[in-house]
Amino acid sequence: GQQLNQSPQSMFIQEGEDVSMNCTSSSIFNTWLWYKQDPGEGPVLLIALYKAGELTSNGRLTAQFGITRKDSFLNISASIPSDVGIYFCAGTGGATNKLIFGTGTLLAVQP
Amino acid sequence: EPEVTQTPSHQVTQMGQEVILRCVPISNHLYFYWYRQILGQKVEFLVSFYNNEISEKSEIFDDQFSVERPDGSNFTLKIRSTKLEDSAMYFCASSLAGQTGELFFGEGSRLTVL
Repeated sequence: GQQLNQSPQSMFIQEGEDVSMNCTSSSIFNTWLWYKQDPGEGPVLLIALYKAGELTSNGRLTAQFGITRKDSFLNISASIPSDVGIYFCAGTGGATNKLIFGTGTLLAVQP
Repeated sequence: EPEVTQTPSHQVTQMGQEVILRCVPISNHLYFYWYRQILGQKVEFLVSFYNNEISEKSEIFDDQFSVERPDGSNFTLKIRSTKLEDSAMYFCASSLAGQTGELFFGEGSRLTVL
């Protein structure tokens, strides 16, 4: 079935650093989304992308929908301690509308 | 701000028992979902529900699982005979549209099967 692979699996950075993570798939997706999950909570939508090549920002977050429709990246600039959490890419595509989640990237930010 | 609410927050049950997890989706949303997350793993799709019927389900969602919208506000997930491997966090979600992927998630119900 469709799978989304994220890298890196985890990142440990200093406050103020920029972060980049990405998500790849062997199949085409029609939408790409990035969610964040804080400990003990449900995922929260950060950014949604609907067109190949689309670049969208939300505050310090920037995400792009890859031209091939098989990848996406998320950048976080000037990280702060509250950026800590697990970041999931997600997408819909193919013959299904179900939202599939990636494997997740754990981000730890040291003050 | 409207939110998805789930009860119970944590349930402990014996293997073989029936469990019902409850959700109140955002009131004007039309699409409802259940996902599960085994500890430390990714969020996995179980089922989507629209217009009072299941629209999609995963291979995880076998005959032991069922969903229901018994009234205008609640959306439930029933596991008929729980197994140890059903232990997980179960997330309910809802959305206004069905194809955008813009889901609003509840805080989850942690199920522990002993």
